[in-house]
Formats: sequence, C-alpha cells, structure tokens
Amino acid sequence: DTEVTQTPKHLVMGMTNKKSLKCEQHMGHRAMYWYKQKAKKPPELMFVYSYEKLSINESVPSRFSPECPNSSLLNLHLHALQPEDSALYLCASRRGGNEKLFFGSGTQLSVL
Amino acid sequence: GESVGLHLPTLSVQEGDNSIINCAYSNSASDYFIWYKQESGKGPQFIIDIRSNMDKRQGQRVTVLLNKTVKHLSLQIAATQPGDSAVYFCAETPSGNNDMRFGAGTRLTVKP
Repeated sequence: DTEVTQTPKHLVMGMTNKKSLKCEQHMGHRAMYWYKQKAKKPPELMFVYSYEKLSINESVPSRFSPECPNSSLLNLHLHALQPEDSALYLCASRRGGNEKLFFGSGTQLSVL
Repeated sequence: GESVGLHLPTLSVQEGDNSIINCAYSNSASDYFIWYKQESGKGPQFIIDIRSNMDKRQGQRVTVLLNKTVKHLSLQIAATQPGDSAVYFCAETPSGNNDMRFGAGTRLTVKP
C-alpha cells in the first residue's frame, strides 16, 4: 500500500461551521504533513508531525487545529474559517527526513 | 528568508522535444531535493530526487542535475509527451530537518 488517503475530497463550509479533514497512510511512515495550496501557487507547509508529536507549526492561525491520534492518522480540525482559507489542503507522509513525500489527492475546501 | 524558486513560470514545448525546467535554491543547508509533477485537481506526484552528495541522477526519461556551487537544480525530460503537461515543482529539505519547502512552480505545456 503506497497511498495517502484523504477525506473528504470536497468540502463546503460556512464561517461558523466546525469540520475536520482526515488523512490516513499505512506505509509505516513516522512523519506526516499538512500543506495548504492556493490556485497557481506551490504547497505551503502548515504542520509537521514526527512520531505523533507536533514538530513544526508554521505560525498557522488557531482556527486550524491539527491532531495525530496514531501513527497512521492525521486530522485537521477547522473552526471559524474565513473565505480566504478556501484552498486545496494536502496531506503527505514520509519515512524520514531525507526521503520523498507521498501526497494524498487533497481536500478542496470552500469557505462561504 | 531563504527559499526555493524557479526561473521560468511557463514553458511550452513541441511533442518529442526535450524540456528543461530550472530551479534556484538559496538554503545552503539543504541536502535533499525532489521534483514533483502536479496535474490539475491532484496531489503532487514524485518524479525524481537527488541528494547533495550527487550532481546527476537519471530516471526513465528524466534527469535531475544539481549544481551546489551556484545552488541550481534542473529537471530534464526527454522526448516530452502530451501526458507530461503539468505544473512542476522543485522542493528541498534542509539537513536534519523535517520540513520540505516548495519552489514557485513551472507550468509545462506540450503541443502536439
């Protein structure tokens, strides 16, 4: 299994809603990532978990709350988002620092 | 801050020609580099990687060149095909670090 699975594929939410994005991998990777990608821009790093502990937080607003329940799962909890948070949210994982990242297909999020 | 960047935002080639996509990086601590291909609506897909102890690596129809002296990375695609049309990103990881940063991206269009 060499896949990173993200759900849902599409999400539309209002600014007062609470929703969660989910990511799963069964490759035994110990580092998991959240990226945000706006149209025609590169992925921007948001969070990195290493061995289920948050190791990098790129000064992301608190309305985004990551969670790593176990080594295979990564969640991104969303609350009180703004329309400018609309983007493609990508999850990725890798075995270690100098290894390639495997990406999921992303969740296309629209905030109304 | 230090960043990874690309020289050309767009590249248009004729089917069958060779393509060269360039990337400049400025973080001298980076020791691992990757090229990703991203098609519309999908997550980035790994193409090829190279470590800083190498200056060239070849894959199937693709070659990555690394020039550490001038901090330059390039991706060469031989006999470019319509299926190669996509946005290409270079990415870097600093030594001993978990993060991976992306350059601005180049859109490659292959004309039949």
